[in-house]
Amino acid sequence: DSGVTQTPKHLITATGQRVTLRCSPRSGDLSVYWYQQSLDQGLQFLIQYYNGEERAKGNILERFSAQQFPDLHSELNLSSLELGDSALYFCASSVAGLPLDEQYFGPGTRLTVT
Amino acid sequence: AQTVTQSQPEMSVQEAETVTLSCTYDTSESDYYLFWYKQPPSRQMILVIRQEAYKQQNATENRFSVNFQKAAKSFSLKISDSQLGDAAMYFCAYRSGNYGQNFVFGPGTRLSVLP
Repeated sequence: DSGVTQTPKHLITATGQRVTLRCSPRSGDLSVYWYQQSLDQGLQFLIQYYNGEERAKGNILERFSAQQFPDLHSELNLSSLELGDSALYFCASSVAGLPLDEQYFGPGTRLTVT
Repeated sequence: AQTVTQSQPEMSVQEAETVTLSCTYDTSESDYYLFWYKQPPSRQMILVIRQEAYKQQNATENRFSVNFQKAAKSFSLKISDSQLGDAAMYFCAYRSGNYGQNFVFGPGTRLSVLP
């Protein structure tokens, strides 16, 4: 158990819908990362937050948005969902968000878009 | 943009033997970090080992070690005394030393450990 929690574990929804994935970092970690893992695109970094502020942006679509709240939990919002958005979405956290910091990954949220 | 290549989609090793997983990357940056992550069937991503590009000494973590060849942009992972629990998907990853930069993963190598 990494100490990072993600809810829900599984989510099934229809195309065109909007969903919110939630992540609680390890106690004491200030930085949160979001990743998407799909069969066709592999593992992709989406976005990083540090203490509520966006720090780094990867291959995140405009239909996706995220934020980190004052209590340091984070949410990833996916809208206008398409079949291709079906994937495993990971959240990770690290102490200070530095490039060499060890990231602790959550168990992931499996999103299925039908 | 940086890219990470893992040329071995699948590898297998006999228990207690040694195996080396390959990784090459492409970058024009001088400040960066390299990682190997393990993803067992549980899907939990676990950091195996990390290396700072400015360090010439190869990183080692127990049975895991890397061969970092900066000029060749190669970062291979050696697993010694392979154990059944080492069976997993292994991802090589690159991260820029600059804030605001991407974190790039390779496509992965699936390692099987044969008893």
